Amino acid sequence: AQRVTQPEKLLSVFKGAPVELKCNYSYSGSPELFWYVQYSRQRLQLLLRHISRESIKGFTADLNKGETSFHLKKPFAQEEDSAMYYCALSGPPLEPDSWGKLQFGAGTQVVVTP
Amino acid sequence: DAMVIQNPRYQVTQFGKPVTLSCSQTLNHNVMYWYQQKSSQAPKLLFHYYDKDFNNEADTPDNFQSRRPNTSFCFLDIRSPGLGDAAMYLCATSRGSDQETQYFGPGTRLLVL
Repeated sequence: AQRVTQPEKLLSVFKGAPVELKCNYSYSGSPELFWYVQYSRQRLQLLLRHISRESIKGFTADLNKGETSFHLKKPFAQEEDSAMYYCALSGPPLEPDSWGKLQFGAGTQVVVTP
Repeated sequence: DAMVIQNPRYQVTQFGKPVTLSCSQTLNHNVMYWYQQKSSQAPKLLFHYYDKDFNNEADTPDNFQSRRPNTSFCFLDIRSPGLGDAAMYLCATSRGSDQETQYFGPGTRLLVL
């Protein structure tokens, strides 16, 4: 079974400090990993995904298959980064009708204080 | 702007009174999903449609059903809402290939009295 673990429910950092959100996964295959973000009173939206290897809003995430991790990092946190962040996994269909499913972690609330 | 729209944003219903939540999309995506998100929890997939093909999650209660009359619209029907069904309901879409981005609506918050 696929599983996504975000060990931190809440992360409080000062503006300008580095921030790292941890995500570990279990999946016996080649998953695609995502980070979704939900700002206050806004919809859940994609922040970045492993396959695109982009840096979005200063965030990066590297897939480490050996450690089965996809941690999200930003060197200098900004107040506008305060939001709920969800790590999510999607794998190739392992069973009939399992196509395209996203498995979310429990989420990490990030609070950036000035 | 192309987007995923959910109406209403807030829905109040009575215990046991059927309720329907709606979702529409202008993205022309093949796949539409319904998630349930309870307070401080991750979104949980209830079911999804790939075109007209309906796929129910094994642990989705029978109380929850869905309809997709055309590409643009998808409905979530809760036949007899219980207090435990109070949650945020999220609709999402995707184009229709594996491991791809999903686009979410703003959600409908359901309150059951």
